Amino acid sequence: SYELTQPPSVSVSPGQTASITCSGDKLGGKSACWYQQRPGQSPVLVIYQDTKRPSGIPERFSGSNSGNTATLTIGGTRAMDEADYYCQAWDSSAAAVFGTGTKVTVL
Amino acid sequence: EVQLVQSGAEVKKPGESLKISCKCSGYSFMSFWIGWVRQMPGKGLEWMGSIYPEDSDTRYSPSLQGQVTISVDKPISTAYLQWSSLKASDTATYYCARRYGDPTILAYAFDVWGQGTVVTVSS
Repeated sequence: SYELTQPPSVSVSPGQTASITCSGDKLGGKSACWYQQRPGQSPVLVIYQDTKRPSGIPERFSGSNSGNTATLTIGGTRAMDEADYYCQAWDSSAAAVFGTGTKVTVL
Repeated sequence: EVQLVQSGAEVKKPGESLKISCKCSGYSFMSFWIGWVRQMPGKGLEWMGSIYPEDSDTRYSPSLQGQVTISVDKPISTAYLQWSSLKASDTATYYCARRYGDPTILAYAFDVWGQGTVVTVSS
C-alpha cells in the first residue's frame, strides 16, 4: 500500500520559516494537499493541488511538490500556527492516503 | 455556507451496533463524494472510505473493508457510517468530509469537514 512519511516534529521560532516534508514514492506525479489540525479541532485544508491556498488561508502558507517529496512552508510563523499538520494524496486505486503527521511547535 | 454537521458522541459496549450521521447543507449533495476519516486517541488521520451520493458508489480502505458500512439518505442529504458489532479498538473520533477537486487531473482534497463524532466502546 502507498505510504506518506513526515517528520514527527518541527520546532520554529516566532517569525521564522517552518518547512514540513512529506515523502512518498513518485509523490511529485500525484496531487498533494495539506491539513492543519489544532488540538481538539477538526482538520482544516491549507494547501490543495500542491500549491493552491483555499480562501481564508493566510499567504504565509505555501506548498511545493516534486520528485518524491511535497513540502509545506509556513513563512513568518505565528503562535497560532502551532498545530499538527498532515499531508494527503491519492493512490492508484483512488484511496486517500494521509501522511504520518507532524507536530509544529512555535517556541 | 457549506456545512457538515455530525451526530453527537456515543458510548457503546463491545458487540453493540452503531450508526453515526453527517448532515450536509449549502451545496449540491449529489455532486460531491463524502469521505469518512478515523482518528484514534492521540494518533493520526486514517481514511476509511468514501461514497458518491448520486449513485451510492462506495470505496473502502482495504484495511477496513467489511468492518464498516457507508451509506447515504439522499432526500435528507445525510451520509452514514455504521458498525454491526463494535470492538474496543473502534474507540476514536470520526470525521466526515466533502471531497472537492478537479477530475481532469485527479486532484482532490477534503475541503470541508464535520465537527467530529467521538465514539467510545467500553465494557
